[in-house]
Amino acid sequence: DAKTTQPPSMDCAEGRAANLPCNHSTISGNEYVYWYRQIHSQGPQYIIHGLKNNETNEMASLIITEDRKSSTLILPHATLRDTAVYYCIVRAANFGNEKLTFGTGTRLTIIP
Amino acid sequence: GAGVSQSPSNKVTEKGKDVELRCDPISGHTALYWYRQSLGQGLEFLIYFQGNSAPDKSGLPSDRFSAERTGGSVSTLTIQRTQQEDSAVYLCASSFDGYGYTFGSGTRLTVV
Repeated sequence: DAKTTQPPSMDCAEGRAANLPCNHSTISGNEYVYWYRQIHSQGPQYIIHGLKNNETNEMASLIITEDRKSSTLILPHATLRDTAVYYCIVRAANFGNEKLTFGTGTRLTIIP
Repeated sequence: GAGVSQSPSNKVTEKGKDVELRCDPISGHTALYWYRQSLGQGLEFLIYFQGNSAPDKSGLPSDRFSAERTGGSVSTLTIQRTQQEDSAVYLCASSFDGYGYTFGSGTRLTVV
């Protein structure tokens, strides 16, 4: 699976949009981009995933560049409960290789 | 059930003892994964079960670690002759389609 690069930490003011970047320059054509987050002392929580089109759900939006070498997770109106470690993961879509490989992620702190 | 259930939530054991950790996945989820997370570290993949296929054991750190999944549902992770470096949070996740994982809250294992 392709490796990802994320900043180790970020701060965002409460109520503002949090934009978390991820570089995955070696991504291949059949690999998806996934985002998970882990709030302190809890198991990771699935947020969103995409292949090449931008995606939006009730939690966040995922913007993938046209060359697919980077993506941005957007939390539109950050709250204190969004403070967590956010993981960007790239994984092949074929079902013979399903495990997710977590990196070190970005520690996002929402500032009151 | 509504989510992935793990038991016990906390386990303290003496060095050299065997421990069993249990995971009840979401009903109908065919894939089940075990990860562990040492204090302040990222998630480390241990083992993965998919339906009736042979499990992917590539992440098990030593032969003291084993896991089974009975009847395609409940899974037990066994650590024999525990060592202090085994202290970590052990996380279980399940998935129906391989796209989104649902994690449990984990078992915090402390070896003293």
